[in-house]
Amino acid sequence: DAKTTQPTSMDCAEGRAANLPCNHSTISGNEYVYWYRQIHSQGPQYIIHGLKNNETNEMASLIITEDRKSSTLILPHATLRDTAVYYCIVRVAGRGYGGSQGNLIFGKGTKLSVKP
Amino acid sequence: GAGVSQSPRYKVAKRGQDVALRCDPISGHVSLFWYQQALGQGPEFLTYFQNEAQLDKSGLPSDRFFAERPEGSVSTLKIQRTQQEDSAVYLCASSLERGRQETQYFGPGTRLLVL
Repeated sequence: DAKTTQPTSMDCAEGRAANLPCNHSTISGNEYVYWYRQIHSQGPQYIIHGLKNNETNEMASLIITEDRKSSTLILPHATLRDTAVYYCIVRVAGRGYGGSQGNLIFGKGTKLSVKP
Repeated sequence: GAGVSQSPRYKVAKRGQDVALRCDPISGHVSLFWYQQALGQGPEFLTYFQNEAQLDKSGLPSDRFFAERPEGSVSTLKIQRTQQEDSAVYLCASSLERGRQETQYFGPGTRLLVL
């Protein structure tokens, strides 16, 4: 079972920030928070990941609470092309040599609809 | 650069037919994964290769499913005697390093419909 809880769906106005929440209250100390998204009829696309510090890249920002029990993915200026299902995943990360704990376990994600 | 590619993109099979789905990972990527995604659900892990070695096949739903990666590059997922419940999107992903903890990059998937 997925270790995360996300809202089923969210709407966002084009040009506004989209804030997607994720609860992961049972996260372990060696588990990272990963975000992927899946645009209709495409494969999942990696967005960002983090351990405990906030992270930012060209796609998004990831804010992780101090207790690490929840996080928020922020798309600063949502466009219509950002309409997708967004998956929050917790997993062991870093260099390693196997072990099923590194598997990506997808839940149902949040369907984000960006509206004009 | 070129991403993960999969072929065919769409496959319609009659029940009982065998199918073969191909994955071309990103060049140089050591690890390769197959996932199955049913309609309205998130992808589910099927199997994992490190180079040519299949290190985990715990997610394969039955012995009708078989995957190989003989030269540590291209992989094929074969489904024998297809059933209607096999209808799904089959996704391939690859990652640069050994082990499954690295970031995975996905292909577009093959949509299989079994009639």
